[in-house]
Amino acid sequence: EVQLVESGGGLVQPGGSLRLSCAASGFTFSSYSMNWVRQAPGKGLEWVAYISSGSTIIYYADSVKGRFTISRDNAYNSLYLQMNSLRAEDTAVYYCARGIGNGRNPFDPWGQGTLVTVSS
Amino acid sequence: EIVLTQSPGTLSLSPGERATLSCRASQSVSSSYLAWYRQKPGQAPRLLIYGASSRATGIPDRFSGSGSGTDFTLTISRLEPEDFAVYYCQQYGISPFTFGQGTKVEIK
Repeated sequence: EVQLVESGGGLVQPGGSLRLSCAASGFTFSSYSMNWVRQAPGKGLEWVAYISSGSTIIYYADSVKGRFTISRDNAYNSLYLQMNSLRAEDTAVYYCARGIGNGRNPFDPWGQGTLVTVSS
Repeated sequence: EIVLTQSPGTLSLSPGERATLSCRASQSVSSSYLAWYRQKPGQAPRLLIYGASSRATGIPDRFSGSGSGTDFTLTISRLEPEDFAVYYCQQYGISPFTFGQGTKVEIK
C-alpha cells in the first residue's frame, strides 16, 4: 500500500524554525516527484514546493521562497521541508503529496498532514 | 501566476442529483495539466481527474471532467453521500502549481 506519513509539526514562535519530514512507503520513492501543500485553518489549498525525483528541479511558491527549503533523501525514502523565519501566516496543516510520475504531475496520494502553528 | 477561479462557491443539491462545477483560468492551461480533487471534512484531498478528463485510479465513472484552454468542468452525474465535500481544481503545468479556491457541495 502506498503511504505517506508526515511528522515534525508543532507550535513555534514567530521567527523560529521547524523541519517537517514525510516518510514514504509502498512504492519506489526515487522514481517520483514530490510536493508540499499547505492548508490554513478553514481555508483552501496552497501549493508550497516541488522537487523532482533526483532533486535536480526545485520550485517554490513566492510566499515561502528564501525561507523554506525542500529536500529529499532517496536512500531513506524521505521528503523534508526546512522552514525558517516562520510567520503567523505560515500556520497551516502541511501535506506531502506524490506526483503520479516524475516531472509535472498531479498529486496522488497525499499524506494525512501535520499541523504547524506559529504563535507567541 | 495562473489564477484559477471556481464557481459557484457553494452548490446545494440533493443525493442523486447532477453537479456541475466550473474552473476558469486567467490564462490558457494545457489540458494535460488540469486536475480536480475532492476533500472530505477532516481528510486529505484525493485526486479525481487529471489531464482535464482522465479519471484517477479507483475513481467511479460518475465523475467526469471536460474543457480546454481557460474553461474546465467537473461533472458528478449522480451525487452519493460521500460526494458532499469541497472540490478543488489545480493546474500543474507551470510553477507555481496553483489551486482554485474551492467549491463546496452541500446537502440541500
